[in-house]
Amino acid sequence: QVQLVESGGGVVQPGRSLRLSCAASGFTFSYYSMHWVRQAPGKGLEWVALISSDGTKRYSADSVKGRFTIFRDTSKKTLHLQMNSLRPEDTAFYYCARDNGSPGAPFDNWGQGTLVTVSS
Amino acid sequence: QSVLTQPPSASGTPGQRVTISCSGSSSNIGSNAVNWYQQFPGTAPKLLIYGTNQWPSGVPDRFSGSKSGSSASLAISGLQSEDEADYYCAAWDDSLNGVIFGGGTKLTVL
Repeated sequence: QVQLVESGGGVVQPGRSLRLSCAASGFTFSYYSMHWVRQAPGKGLEWVALISSDGTKRYSADSVKGRFTIFRDTSKKTLHLQMNSLRPEDTAFYYCARDNGSPGAPFDNWGQGTLVTVSS
Repeated sequence: QSVLTQPPSASGTPGQRVTISCSGSSSNIGSNAVNWYQQFPGTAPKLLIYGTNQWPSGVPDRFSGSKSGSSASLAISGLQSEDEADYYCAAWDDSLNGVIFGGGTKLTVL
């Protein structure tokens, strides 16, 4: 079965960097676009970034543009999110999600999430 | 601030039919498919409806989606206590080149 397992979250000071990872299994990773979505504690969902199946196209939300980079390692079936210049408002649960390829980019499988806390 | 607008709360009694609205614009709902997610406290969201009105495997047909112009709706018929959750609409936005979510609707089963 499809499984997505995030790791790399933790407590980090403002201005520092953190890299999140998402290990994929149970499906052909190279066939699917992948996303990161975040959710501040007690708040709603916010899309963060998208990478195409072949890694050639990347899009990100304005709130993280220039600071966060999404990339993938197909050989290791792993999705990453490199987060630089972190701010307190980046504090959230970060989920990786698989795009099922239908119009509108539906996320048909989600990881359990990893918590990033940006605080001094 | 969410680009898609949902009511913050909705409620109904068991067996009732409840609808949750999601209002957007021509650059998102007006020109792209709408997806709906269900989220229980402390868990990851789950895809409930995709492509505006399609069901992923395992989702009961009590849940249905529709769209008219730049607005979409999620309808839940035969409301059950286990439907009490947060519901989010989402769509691709051609202007932002990204996915946008509604602010979420907390459904209470009375």
